[in-house]
Amino acid sequence: KAGVTQTPRYLIKTRGQQVTLSCSPISGHRSVSWYQQTPGQGLQFLFEYFSETQRNKGNFPGRFSGRQFSNSRSEMNVSTLELGDSALYLCASSTGDQETQYFGPGTRLLVL
Amino acid sequence: GNSVTQMEGPVTLSEEAFLTINCTYTATGYPSLFWYVQYPGEGLQLLLKATKADDKGSNKGFEATYRKETTSFHLEKGSVQVSDSAVYFCALSDPVRDSSYKLIFGSGTRLLVRP
Repeated sequence: KAGVTQTPRYLIKTRGQQVTLSCSPISGHRSVSWYQQTPGQGLQFLFEYFSETQRNKGNFPGRFSGRQFSNSRSEMNVSTLELGDSALYLCASSTGDQETQYFGPGTRLLVL
Repeated sequence: GNSVTQMEGPVTLSEEAFLTINCTYTATGYPSLFWYVQYPGEGLQLLLKATKADDKGSNKGFEATYRKETTSFHLEKGSVQVSDSAVYFCALSDPVRDSSYKLIFGSGTRLLVRP
């Protein structure tokens, strides 16, 4: 069974721009969660989508948003990029009714 | 709120040495506990998990036992290899509502194994 895939793997943007990251979960998984990893803050939960609905949200500003499609693929969007948004963005999928989450390889975003 | 505390790294060991990475947690209720491993330039891989007290998770020679009385989930391996060099994250599942969970992670412990 194919794992979680994320595209693109690397991205360079400038301040003020916006960016969209994509995640395809494991086949049959209906929940997608997003995490931000930075050296200073570690791994932090952004949000979770299940059946096209945002079910949970972490403590991030409204510039961070996401959505989920009917095939469970998810996108996250960051608008008005700031230097501090430079991070590894990880997507994780699960069945939606169990706790175990499986992670993709991440998208590394650099904001200049 | 719920939290996870890991020992500071880096941990440097010689090949075939015994490994222990300490992890303690604070939680209301009885969360599931996980160890994830991150190799350079990659995402997180699930290493092992335990869902209730006294459960032992194991995989690839790594083990960890869910200790409710000491709120700990220490990772151990009897004989490390150079290929085990990576960053290890302890995590707990924090139930938000219904069947929804988010993972709360420790700060990670870097392991370096020398030949």
